[in-house]
Amino acid sequence: QKEVEQDPGPLSVPEGAIVSLNCTYSNSAFQYFMWYRQYSRKGPELLMYTYSSGNKEDGRFTAQVDKSSKYISLFIRDSQPSDSATYLCAMSASNDYKLSFGAGTTVTVRA
Amino acid sequence: SAVISQKPSRDICQRGTSLTIQCQVDSQVTMMFWYRQQPGQSLTLIATANQGSEATYESGFVIDKFPISRPNLTFSTLTVSNMSPEDSSIYLCSVEVSLSGPQHFGDGTRLSIL
Repeated sequence: QKEVEQDPGPLSVPEGAIVSLNCTYSNSAFQYFMWYRQYSRKGPELLMYTYSSGNKEDGRFTAQVDKSSKYISLFIRDSQPSDSATYLCAMSASNDYKLSFGAGTTVTVRA
Repeated sequence: SAVISQKPSRDICQRGTSLTIQCQVDSQVTMMFWYRQQPGQSLTLIATANQGSEATYESGFVIDKFPISRPNLTFSTLTVSNMSPEDSSIYLCSVEVSLSGPQHFGDGTRLSIL
């Protein structure tokens, strides 16, 4: 079993829809949770960075962490074609620089 | 966040040769890392580049194959040695600006071995 599980998709939605992405994990020591967006031929770009459980909102993006269920989510409201990319979840334990990545979910937003 | 520049952005190399990839950051950073991303897959950590000392390699990666240097707080190199087609991949540099902060990535070097 992988340490971080993420459905690779692909996921295709119409413009304006809510995109829902999630990851599950098995290591209860994880405390820091990240979502990266990766466009084709580019490096991963940090979207959201959260510590422990709870919600964090930044514009159209909302990240949720439920440590009791070992489950994290990213929601994209009012999705745009420019949101078409691969979204990677990543997480790490306290005092540990090593990131564990999900496989990435490829999202296409249709105009 | 920091601005991370990687060179070259892509290259096509012959089997058995070596290539050195450079990572330059526009500000001093605490930690620098090198990752590999194989086609259609997620990221795998190769090593942590330590300033002024030997890099710390992850399981499955060795210094003879992937020598790394980090002479100062803004620059690191990764060499892919004695390349084979299996080394065709994207190699990414990442940095941690502050301890326990998130990692930020460069755009990567796309390497193809013929």
